[in-house]
Amino acid sequence: EIVLTQSPGTLSLSPGERATLSCRASQSVSSSYLAWYQQKPGQAPRLLIYGASSRATGIPDRFSGSGSGTDFTLTISRLEPEDFAVYYCQQYGSSPTFGGGTKVEIK
Amino acid sequence: EVQLVQSGAEVKKPGESLKISCKVSGYSFTTYWIGWVRQMPGKGLEWMGIIYPGDSDTRYSPSFQGQVTISADKSISTAYLQWSSLKASDTAMYYCARRAQGVATIEGSFDYWGQGTLVTVSS
Repeated sequence: EIVLTQSPGTLSLSPGERATLSCRASQSVSSSYLAWYQQKPGQAPRLLIYGASSRATGIPDRFSGSGSGTDFTLTISRLEPEDFAVYYCQQYGSSPTFGGGTKVEIK
Repeated sequence: EVQLVQSGAEVKKPGESLKISCKVSGYSFTTYWIGWVRQMPGKGLEWMGIIYPGDSDTRYSPSFQGQVTISADKSISTAYLQWSSLKASDTAMYYCARRAQGVATIEGSFDYWGQGTLVTVSS
C-alpha cells in the first residue's frame, strides 16, 4: 500500500498570501495518478486537481498542482476567504489511498 | 445534473447490522464505478472500496476487506454499504462518490460525492 504523507499539518496564512502544500508518497505514483481535494467543515470533499496537474471542471486557476514520482505539490496562488479548508491528496495508481490532510487556516 | 443522495444518519448498537444507501441520478448508473470513503470523527479520508454496477465487479481496500460489503441494485440506481456486526470503531461519516471517467489520468479520482451518512455505534 502506498502511504501518502502531507505536510505541513496546518498552514496559517492570511488572505492574499500564497499557500504551498506538500504530498509525499512512500513509492512512486504511477502515471501521476494523484488528485487533490478540498473539504470544508460539514461538507463532502470536492475534486480540485487530477493527474497531478489538471484542474477539475470549474476550479479557479489560482489552484495548481505539480510533481511526479513521489513528490507532489498543491499551490494556491492567492488565498481567497473561501479557500480556508482542509486539503487531501489521493493516489489512485494502485490500491487507492488518501493522505492525512493539511488544514489551511486564517492567520 | 449528477446527484448522489445518501440515506440518513443511523444510531446503532454494537453487534447490530446496517445497510446504508447511495441513490444516483443524472447519469448512467451502470457505466461508472461508485466508491465508498470513510471519515472517522475529526480524522482524514479512507478509501474503502468500489463497485461497478454494470457487472457488480467489486474491489476492496485491504483494510476493509471482510469488514464491509459493497453492493448495487441497477433497477433503482442505488449503491449500498453494509455491515453484519457493527463495532464502536465503525462510528464515522461515510461518503459515496462517483469514480471519474474521461482522460486516463482522471480515472480513479472521485468527481461527484454524496452528502455523507453519519453512522454512530454506541451501547
